[in-house]
Amino acid sequence: GNSVTQMEGPVTLSEEAFLTINCTYTATGYPSLFWYVQYPGEGLQLLLKATKADDKGSNKGFEATYRKETTSFHLEKGSVQVSDSAVYFCALKGAGNNRKLIWGLGTSLAVNP
Amino acid sequence: DAGVTQSPTHLIKTRGQQVTLRCSPKSGHDTVSWYQQALGQGPQFIFQYYEEEERQRGNFPDRFSGHQFPNYSSELNVNALLLGDSALYLCASSLAGGTNEKLFFGSGTQLSVL
Repeated sequence: GNSVTQMEGPVTLSEEAFLTINCTYTATGYPSLFWYVQYPGEGLQLLLKATKADDKGSNKGFEATYRKETTSFHLEKGSVQVSDSAVYFCALKGAGNNRKLIWGLGTSLAVNP
Repeated sequence: DAGVTQSPTHLIKTRGQQVTLRCSPKSGHDTVSWYQQALGQGPQFIFQYYEEEERQRGNFPDRFSGHQFPNYSSELNVNALLLGDSALYLCASSLAGGTNEKLFFGSGTQLSVL
């Protein structure tokens, strides 16, 4: 079945450091891929998405590229801020009419000033 | 424009009791999905409702049931509560058939079973 594997946290960085959170997936066909963010005390929010191979999703300085050849969707940001401290989830939605999202375990990011 | 709203925000129950959680979708959305998020874990899909019917279900026992009303709001019911049911329950809404696959999540209901 479909699955998502996400790098374990917690990740602790200093402000302005470069961020990479790895995400790989297993799926049949061509799934859609997502990164969601959960700020402390808040609900999940869609950060970015990509729906086909080689698509690059981007938002708020974050980017992720859908790599079919390596079945990856790594999240990157060139310069993190304290306000980026949150838990980040990689998720997959299977092809076709399957509307169920499959989630990674989440990676906690703490950015220190 | 109100987003997804869930009630209550927190709930404490004892083993064996029953609980009902409520969700109002974002305005214009007609599909509601429920997820269970245990501490330190990613959300697990429970089921999805559209047109007042359960359209898809995850690997949850029959103790978990739901309902969708004509105004698209939804309820999640859990019977015979177990300690392991303690989790954050998230509701997400979307528009069926839309090209936008974006889910909007509520802030969740934190359920504690003692």
